[in-house]
Amino acid sequence: QKEVEQDPGPLSVPEGAIVSLNCTYSNSAFQYFMWYRQYSRKGPELLMYTYSSGNKEDGRFTAQVDKSSKYISLFIRDSQPSDSATYLCAMSVAGGTSYGKLTFGQGTILTVHP
Amino acid sequence: GAGVSQSPSNKVTEKGKDVELRCDPISGHTALYWYRQSLGQGLEFLIYFQGNSAPDKSGLPSDRFSAERTGGSVSTLTIQRTQQEDSAVYLCASSFGVLEEQYFGPGTRLTVT
Repeated sequence: QKEVEQDPGPLSVPEGAIVSLNCTYSNSAFQYFMWYRQYSRKGPELLMYTYSSGNKEDGRFTAQVDKSSKYISLFIRDSQPSDSATYLCAMSVAGGTSYGKLTFGQGTILTVHP
Repeated sequence: GAGVSQSPSNKVTEKGKDVELRCDPISGHTALYWYRQSLGQGLEFLIYFQGNSAPDKSGLPSDRFSAERTGGSVSTLTIQRTQQEDSAVYLCASSFGVLEEQYFGPGTRLTVT
């Protein structure tokens, strides 16, 4: 079983929809949680970065972390065709030699159609 | 300013040959990471450097893989005696410090025939 599980989709929604993307994890040592967006043939770019449990909002994006359930989510409001990409969750522990190493989910392919 | 750059962008090699992949991090970034992305395995950590030393090499899949970083800047990932299962996109990232935002390069697409 992978340390981080993410539904690969694909997910197809109409423009303007609210999108919910999720990951579950098994390693309770994960303390830092990230969401990356990756366009085709490009490197991933960071969207959201949160520490421990709670919510964080940035424009149309909201990240939620529930450490008790080992579950994280990314919500995209008023989705746009330009949001069409692969979304990757990533996590890291807070110390030790693996400090800084990111463990990624499989990625969810999202298509927003006009 | 310039982002992370990687070269070559594409590499096709024959099974059994050695390849070198290069990463130029963002100037001033002390941490540098190598990841591999393939259809079956997703995005996997290989190794990271803090300065010129590598505290975590746990992701290197075999002793055919090695990496070095010199002058706290450029890094080279070397794969010896390439196998078909090495075909993947090799991504490099750098950050100002460990656990700071990692900025990714565009990757090197390696195809082993």
